[in-house]
Amino acid sequence: GQQLNQSPQSMFIQEGEDVSMNCTSSSIFNTWLWYKQDPGEGPVLLIALYKAGELTSNGRLTAQFGITRKDSFLNISASIPSDVGIYFCAGQLPEGSQGNLIFGKGTKLSVKP
Amino acid sequence: DSGVTQTPKHLITATGQRVTLRCSPRSGDLSVYWYQQSLDQGLQFLIQYYNGEERAKGNILERFSAQQFPDLHSELNLSSLELGDSALYFCASSVGVRGGTDTQYFGPGTRLTVL
Repeated sequence: GQQLNQSPQSMFIQEGEDVSMNCTSSSIFNTWLWYKQDPGEGPVLLIALYKAGELTSNGRLTAQFGITRKDSFLNISASIPSDVGIYFCAGQLPEGSQGNLIFGKGTKLSVKP
Repeated sequence: DSGVTQTPKHLITATGQRVTLRCSPRSGDLSVYWYQQSLDQGLQFLIQYYNGEERAKGNILERFSAQQFPDLHSELNLSSLELGDSALYFCASSVGVRGGTDTQYFGPGTRLTVL
C-alpha cells in the first residue's frame, strides 16, 4: 500500500529556533495536509495544500506542496514552547481513489525554553 | 474545537466484549471517516461513509463494523475484542465532495483499553 516517509522522527530544539520537517512518497497525491496532535487529543489541521508548487503560510507555519506531487515540507519559524507536539503529514490520493488519508508516522517536536 | 464530537472519551473493557463508539460530524458535513491510532501502527484509515452509504474501506477487521445514520452521526462497533485492539479511535468528517479540496477535521478521539 501507499506509504509516507516523514522525517525527522523527533526534534529537540531551543525556543526561538526554526524547525523544518518533510514527507516524501512514491505515490502522487492530490492534496497534502499537515496536522498537529497534542497528547490525548485529536489531530488539528494546520495547513492544507491543494496544488503542486503551492506555498501556504499560517502564522509562523509555512508549508509547500512539492512540484512532483510526491513530497511536502513544513517549516515553523521562531519556535515557542506551545509548538510542542506531534506533527503529521497526510496525503490524499488523486480523484477516483479512496477519500481516505495516508498519514506519515509523525515528527515529535520538543522545545526547550 | 473542530466541531466533531466523539463519545465516550475513554472506554475500558475486557477481551471478548463488544463496544460501540459514537461520532457526530461537523454541521453540514456528509462524510465520516474512522481511524485507529496505535503506538506501533500510527494513524490507520478504517472506513468512510458518505450520506449513509459506505464509500471506502481501509484496514478494517471483520470483527469491526460501522454505519452512518440518517441524522449523519456514525457508530463504530468493535466485537470479540482482543488486547491488540487497545488504541485511540478517531472520527473525522468532511463535506464529502470528491476531488482535491475535501478537508477532514478530526474529533477528540475515544481511548479504548482492552484488559
